Amino acid sequence: DTGVSQNPRHKITKRGQNVTFRCDPISEHNRLYWYRQTLGQGPEFLTYFQNEAQLEKSRLLSDRFSAERPKGSFSTLEIQRTEQGDSAMYLCASRDKNYGYTFGSGTRLTVV
Amino acid sequence: QQQVKQSPQSLIVQKGGISIINCAYENTAFDYFPWYQQFPGKGPALLIAIRPDVSEKKEGRFTISFNKSAKQFSLHIMDSQPGDSATYFCAASMGHDMRFGAGTRLTVKP
Repeated sequence: DTGVSQNPRHKITKRGQNVTFRCDPISEHNRLYWYRQTLGQGPEFLTYFQNEAQLEKSRLLSDRFSAERPKGSFSTLEIQRTEQGDSAMYLCASRDKNYGYTFGSGTRLTVV
Repeated sequence: QQQVKQSPQSLIVQKGGISIINCAYENTAFDYFPWYQQFPGKGPALLIAIRPDVSEKKEGRFTISFNKSAKQFSLHIMDSQPGDSATYFCAASMGHDMRFGAGTRLTVKP
C-alpha cells in the first residue's frame, strides 16, 4: 500500500441517480479528507474523519452529500439525486499527524 | 470560501528560467502553507511546505519565500524544466481546514 486509492476513476451518471465513491487511505493515516475540485479551481474541502469519527461536515455542499468511514479504514462519499452541477473531480486525501496530506487520483463524476 | 488568492493564472517560462508564483492569504490563524503540484488526471502532490516562523525554505530547485507581515508567500522554481509543466496550487491551513488557491498552470518551453 503505497498511496491513497480511489474508485471508480470515472463515473457517468444520469441526473437524479445516486452515486457512491470509495476511498482507501494510507493504512497508517488516521485522518481522511474529502475534497471537490472543479475545472480550473483548487480543491474545495468537504468533510473529514479522524478514525471513524466525522469531525467536520458543515462544508458538505448540501444534504444530498454524505460520507461514512465505518471502521476507521476506507471511506465512502455518496451523492443522492445527482444534479449537473455535481459534475467535478472528487478527491480523497489521508494525512499523518505531521500535516503531510497524500491525495488520491480522484473520481471524475459526470452527470448527464 | 476563497481565502487564498493565487497569481498568475498561467505562466510560460523558458527552460532554465525561474518560475515565480505568488499567493496571498487573509486569515492570520493559518499556520501551515504547502504548495502542491498537479498533473492532468492525477491528484495534487505535496511539493514543499513552510510554517510561519521561518521566512524561507529551500528543497532542491524549489524555494518558498514567506512574508508574514504582508500575508504573502511565493514559490520559486529555479532552472525550470519541461517536466515541471503542471498546475501548481498554494494552500493555507489551520488544523483540518485547508484552503487552496485557484491554481497556476505552468508551461516550461524547451
